[in-house]
Amino acid sequence: GENVEQHPSTLSVQEGDSAVIKCTYSDSASNYFPWYKQELGKGPQLIIDIRSNVGEKKDQRIAVTLNKTAKHFSLHITETQPEDSAVYFCAASRSDSNYQLIWGAGTKLIIKP
Amino acid sequence: DTAVSQTPKYLVTQMGNDKSIKCEQNLGHDTMYWYKQDSKKFLKIMFSYNNKELIINETVPNRFSPKSPDKAHLNLHINSLELGDSAVYFCASSFGLSYEQYFGPGTRLTVT
Repeated sequence: GENVEQHPSTLSVQEGDSAVIKCTYSDSASNYFPWYKQELGKGPQLIIDIRSNVGEKKDQRIAVTLNKTAKHFSLHITETQPEDSAVYFCAASRSDSNYQLIWGAGTKLIIKP
Repeated sequence: DTAVSQTPKYLVTQMGNDKSIKCEQNLGHDTMYWYKQDSKKFLKIMFSYNNKELIINETVPNRFSPKSPDKAHLNLHINSLELGDSAVYFCASSFGLSYEQYFGPGTRLTVT
């Protein structure tokens, strides 16, 4: 079946450094790619998304890039802060099912002070 | 005001019992979901309702039965609970065909 692979599973960076999380999807017809942040004890929250007609999108310290040819997309967080510590999930839309996302396994981001 | 709320937040019960989790959203969304998150944080879609109609029904045991009394509510009833049902269950909602989903705070179910 279709899947989304996410790497790394855990990422530890020094406060102020950049963090990059990568995802690869298998459904070439996927056209929507969101990133969710899940803080401890809370539900996931959408932080940024990108559609297949765009290669890059930025929102302050976070950015997402999409390479449709390679079926890769990445989340970039610059100038990391302690509040960025969380689990981050990537997802891709399923082309064979309305409303449904294929989720990555999550990346635990740890910001070291 | 809480956008997507779930009750209870914690649920501890014994094997074989029947329990329900309730979800309500005040966002005016017409699509609601149930997800299961296991101990490794993997998110798995279980069900989705659009305008009170079931549109996604992934392979889950038929001990799990969702019910949507109206567009703002989606409840999950679980019969004959098993140890493997222990997880965090998230309710989510979205508007129409939008993939942007708003998640509730989760219900941590522990089956002993």
